[in-house]
Amino acid sequence: RKEVEQDPGPFNVPEGATVAFNCTYSNSASQSFFWYRQDCRKEPKLLMSVYSSGNEDGRFTAQLNRASQYISLLIRDSKLSDSATYLCVVKGPEGGSYIPTFGRGTSLIVHP
Amino acid sequence: DAGVIQSPRHEVTEMGQEVTLRCKPISGHNSLFWYRQTMMRGLELLIYFNNNVPIDDSGMPEDRFSAKMPNASFSTLKIQPSEPRDSAVYFCASSYAHVPGQGRREKLFFGSGTQLSVL
Repeated sequence: RKEVEQDPGPFNVPEGATVAFNCTYSNSASQSFFWYRQDCRKEPKLLMSVYSSGNEDGRFTAQLNRASQYISLLIRDSKLSDSATYLCVVKGPEGGSYIPTFGRGTSLIVHP
Repeated sequence: DAGVIQSPRHEVTEMGQEVTLRCKPISGHNSLFWYRQTMMRGLELLIYFNNNVPIDDSGMPEDRFSAKMPNASFSTLKIQPSEPRDSAVYFCASSYAHVPGQGRREKLFFGSGTQLSVL
């Protein structure tokens, strides 16, 4: 299985701060990229896809750098409710199928 | 839709016992994945099915683990015999792609997981 690496953190930031996470992947043939969010003792849920040109969803911005093989997630104006683990997901061709591979996640703690 | 349904939510068993985890994917989805999550290793893909057919089980730890998908609405993951190192959260996820396995953008929908503790 191809490797997807993330800084586990935790990132401990005050409300209102801007925080950024990076994720690196080793398979240069990877085709699709996503960020999932996982709350404590819950299942992962899709936060956003990552497109080649970069994309934004409210306070969240995702970017892809194919040359350096990393994706990033930027969270502006952090809220207490943003506290969670953020999982980077990479889909690459594996034996003809596109299989999602998860990073181990980056923990974010937003404090008052 | 009810989402992906897993049972049981929690399972506590003794070493050597057989454990069966169950999953009902979202109706209409044609790919199903079993993942295991631990603090040490994160989310690991164990096996996945396309149209009920197992495609890649290279993530299954050893012969003690087996998975079946007898129809489009049900899958099981069995551990026999169980060992303490099998303790983890086991997630089932499903997705839909026009051609299963070829979807690049399709998202995964996860069940709530089964917390397994083997004593």
